[in-house]
Amino acid sequence: KAGVTQTPRYLIKTRGQQVTLSCSPISGHRSVSWYQQTPGQGLQFLFEYFSETQRNKGNFPGRFSGRQFSNSRSEMNVSTLELGDSALYLCASKDPPYEQYFGPGTRLTVT
Amino acid sequence: DAKTTQPNSMESNEEEPVHLPCNHSTISGTDYIHWYRQLPSQGPEYVIHGLTSNVNNRMASLAIAEDRKSSTLILHRATLRDAAVYYCILRDAETSYDKVIFGPGTSLSVIP
Repeated sequence: KAGVTQTPRYLIKTRGQQVTLSCSPISGHRSVSWYQQTPGQGLQFLFEYFSETQRNKGNFPGRFSGRQFSNSRSEMNVSTLELGDSALYLCASKDPPYEQYFGPGTRLTVT
Repeated sequence: DAKTTQPNSMESNEEEPVHLPCNHSTISGTDYIHWYRQLPSQGPEYVIHGLTSNVNNRMASLAIAEDRKSSTLILHRATLRDAAVYYCILRDAETSYDKVIFGPGTSLSVIP
């Protein structure tokens, strides 16, 4: 089986812009979670989607949103980008209750 | 949400065993203990998990204290490829969703 894929792998945006990141889970996995990783804050949970429904959300502002499609692919969107949004954004999929598998991440740089 | 504490960094010599500790004093009865590791420029990778009994797999062993307030990940023979950040996390299996809290983890250096 192919692993979790994330696109793009690298992205540079300007403050105030918005960005959409994409995640394709492992085939058959219905749960997709998103995380933000920064050197200062470590790995932080953003949200989880299961069968197109958001069922858990971390402590991030409303500028961070996501969605899941019927084929389990997921996107996350960040609007009005700030410098502090520069981070590695990781997507993980699983077929509950089994283990999560992480993708390689999208490195977002906001200038 | 229950949290874990780990040493910031550890060192090991190549081909020697490594014991990575984790404290989780507020663990609940339904929390599983999971370990992940993250190699440079990669996403985290699952290593092992357990509930009460010690567990072994091809990558590592997990020793869980009798009161479940601490656990130890054991790499039997460290290799250079084991140099990574190791995360100990708790996950509630009963609710079927996970709002996992990743701490800063332990950065393991392996000395040739």
